[in-house]
Amino acid sequence: DVQLLESGGTLLRPGGSLRLSCAASGFTFSSHVMSWVRQAPGKGLEWVSSISDTGDNTFYADSLKGRFTISRDNSKNTLFLQMNSLRAEDTALYYCARNSWLSEKDFDYWGLGTLVTVSS
Amino acid sequence: DIQMSQSPSALSAAVGDRVTITCRASQGIINYLGWFQQKPGKPPKYLIYGASSLQSGVPSRFKGSGSGTDFTLTISSLQPEDFATYYCQQYHSYPLTFGQGTKVDIK
Repeated sequence: DVQLLESGGTLLRPGGSLRLSCAASGFTFSSHVMSWVRQAPGKGLEWVSSISDTGDNTFYADSLKGRFTISRDNSKNTLFLQMNSLRAEDTALYYCARNSWLSEKDFDYWGLGTLVTVSS
Repeated sequence: DIQMSQSPSALSAAVGDRVTITCRASQGIINYLGWFQQKPGKPPKYLIYGASSLQSGVPSRFKGSGSGTDFTLTISSLQPEDFATYYCQQYHSYPLTFGQGTKVDIK
């Protein structure tokens, strides 16, 4: 079974940095585009970033303005999200999602999420 | 960027009702449209891809239709486990975008 397990979420101050991880299992990780999607408390879904299967190509939401960096380690089946200069509006549940093999831009499996809270 | 707009934002329905949710894209996305179901405290579940194809294991009472800019999710006979929030998502191009969601609750 496909499993995605996020970790790294915590409470931190504005301006801080954090790295999220997502451990993948149950599928060939290196064959799939992977993504991060976030959901602020009580709000809708917001795509954050995607990375190609090899890691050579990355894509970001415009609103992040270069503060976040997505990466992956295919030898360890792990996806990462480095988050810098965090703001209160980055407070959200961050989901790791597998992109489908067919289209590579839709999300067919999701983890349970890891909560990031940015507050002074 | 492609904006996705869902309607209604919320609806109340009874078990057995037919429910229709609409999703409109700000520009044509062919059929690169997915639908998700999310229950409180749970991650989204993928229901439909390609505007009308059911993911494996999704009940046949869920039906997606549409192409271009206008899409519909129909639940033919609402079941107790279907009360949830539904989101559409376009995957025609980056940045990937979601509709704002439609909450379906019990009448």
